[in-house]
Amino acid sequence: QQPVQSPQAVILREGEDAVINCSSSKALYSVHWYRQKHGEAPVFLMILLKGGEQKGHEKISASFNEKKQQSSLYLTASQLSYSGTYFCGTETDSWGKLQFGAGTQVVVTP
Amino acid sequence: GAVVSQHPSRVICKSGTSVKIECRSLDFQATTMFWYRQFPKQSLMLMATSNEGSKATYEQGVEKDKFLINHASLTLSTLTVTSAHPEDSSFYICSASDRSSPLKNIQYFGAGTRLSVL
Repeated sequence: QQPVQSPQAVILREGEDAVINCSSSKALYSVHWYRQKHGEAPVFLMILLKGGEQKGHEKISASFNEKKQQSSLYLTASQLSYSGTYFCGTETDSWGKLQFGAGTQVVVTP
Repeated sequence: GAVVSQHPSRVICKSGTSVKIECRSLDFQATTMFWYRQFPKQSLMLMATSNEGSKATYEQGVEKDKFLINHASLTLSTLTVTSAHPEDSSFYICSASDRSSPLKNIQYFGAGTRLSVL
């Protein structure tokens, strides 16, 4: 079952912060975050395994609350290069199959 | 590292013809490959999972005779859309992971193939 992502879209000025949420109705083994720019392949950002970790990639970080089956992606001091569609992918077991959320379109303006 | 190459990037074909899409891992062993379909402004929908040397496992609702998947080596998987029709037009993306590595859960994506069936 597809995880639910929110918001659907967000518009930011350079330097502003944003949070993208991903929630599942099933117990999760891991959460993956990807960014896709128009017409390109999704690019892996980070993976969070169950255990409540927080990870970072540049000024992008994420948290995973396995009890609530939720993950959040934090875009801090956003840059123009952060524009794109962010997808969370969830695993319910360790076999590697991901279910992707509907995506959150992020537009960062000068 | 972890580069996945997908070809062709774009293909236009006539209705009724078959189209083959290749997905190669360039610098790692792809023990598992995944094929997704993506409609405009929508999410990636998993079509099938293939393990090297085994038959692919298809998701519910995906016709296995329509979308033939072959994963004969640790670096190459192919998706053949047989007797393509306009409703098969879509963006097809492959991904690969190395289940034998400590990073086994990470999927690395190809650049995608835009298929247009006339």
